[in-house]
Amino acid sequence: AQTVTQSQPEMSVQEAETVTLSCTYDTSENNYYLFWYKQPPSRQMILVIRQEAYKQQNATENRFSVNFQKAAKSFSLKISDSQLGDTAMYFCAFRSPNTGTASKLTFGTGTRLQVTL
Amino acid sequence: KAGVTQTPRYLIKTRGQQVTLSCSPISGHRSVSWYQQTPGQGLQFLFEYFSETQRNKGNFPGRFSGRQFSNSRSEMNVSTLELGDSALYLCASSFWGGSYNEQFFGPGTRLTVL
Repeated sequence: AQTVTQSQPEMSVQEAETVTLSCTYDTSENNYYLFWYKQPPSRQMILVIRQEAYKQQNATENRFSVNFQKAAKSFSLKISDSQLGDTAMYFCAFRSPNTGTASKLTFGTGTRLQVTL
Repeated sequence: KAGVTQTPRYLIKTRGQQVTLSCSPISGHRSVSWYQQTPGQGLQFLFEYFSETQRNKGNFPGRFSGRQFSNSRSEMNVSTLELGDSALYLCASSFWGGSYNEQFFGPGTRLTVL
């Protein structure tokens, strides 16, 4: 079974600064998908960024980018130019491409990010 | 395009009762998954439905069940409620067929069991 570990329960960053959230995972599969989801106080889960394990290039979405290290099974999220609206719980998630579990996401425990003035 | 909708948003029940939660996926999405979110256990996968068939099930007791209708709307049912069933229940829909099968989440139903 896959596991996802987020070792930072809480983090704080000042507005306009850069912060990196860590995520490691364990799997025996060679191809899979990784995601970062954001859950603000409103509780609506929002997809931030995604990465397919076969793609060596790190994904980037505006101010959000990942550092995907397949051999180390590490998938960190970097938020540049942090904004107050980035305050939220961030979850790292894993999905196997196996058709029997096509949509099941395995989540980490989350990192609570607070952006301050 | 409208997002995933869940009803009701909040629900209060007492132990022993049963509850039914509803989820309407994004138009065109045929896969619906359910997750339970609690402070202690985090986000846990309950089950997934596609074309009215349960495709995958998480490690939950048989009190938790679900179904999917021909229009892809899904319901989950919890019978004989226990205090530990208090949680945020999230529904997510996906297209199924795309490479990522990206899941879009609804706002959740907050269930409180007294």
